[in-house]
Amino acid sequence: GIQVEQSPPDLILQEGANSTLRCNFSDSVNNLQWFHQNPWGQLINLFYIPSGTKQNGRLSATTVATERYSLLYISSSQTTDSGVYFCAVLGYRGTSYGKLTFGQGTILTVHP
Amino acid sequence: DGGITQSPKYLFRKEGQNVTLSCEQNLNHDAMYWYRQDPGQGLRLIYYSQIVNDFQKGDIAEGYSVSREKKESFPLTVTSAQKNPTAFYLCASSIAEETQYFGPGTRLLVL
Repeated sequence: GIQVEQSPPDLILQEGANSTLRCNFSDSVNNLQWFHQNPWGQLINLFYIPSGTKQNGRLSATTVATERYSLLYISSSQTTDSGVYFCAVLGYRGTSYGKLTFGQGTILTVHP
Repeated sequence: DGGITQSPKYLFRKEGQNVTLSCEQNLNHDAMYWYRQDPGQGLRLIYYSQIVNDFQKGDIAEGYSVSREKKESFPLTVTSAQKNPTAFYLCASSIAEETQYFGPGTRLLVL
């Protein structure tokens, strides 16, 4: 099945810093989503972005489907941005078709 | 408000016991999903259903069972055959293959 790798696994920032999270995937995908998991476990949708660039406030995301990667940018980070960020892709073919496969996540800690 | 609800928030299972986790959605979504998350890991797909009265196994279906008798409901039963059931269980729904929306989760612990 499709493989999803996220980097870095851990990231520690001071409040106000910018960061870039990366998601690489091993095959063509029908869609790609970025999520933020808060300390209570709730998964919050950030972006649905199979290709192109989207922005939502301090967050933006870019997916280059032909090169099989996506980037999540966080600008002017705040302590409330802390948590785990997941990338998930919906497979295009074979055993991955129709299934959302998650990466292992990036743990972000923002210090005041 | 539209959304996905899961109950209970915490569930304790004794050895050899079957337990059922509830997932309800009022988003009018056709597709529903169950995922398992272990500490420090991503989510793994247990079962999914794209339409009422139909469901498919995901990547880790052994020891679990589901039913989809109503569009709004997709309960998951953790059977005694699941030898390592302690985990965080998340339910999701979507319109076809579009954005999946997740419920708040159920934490299952073995006594």
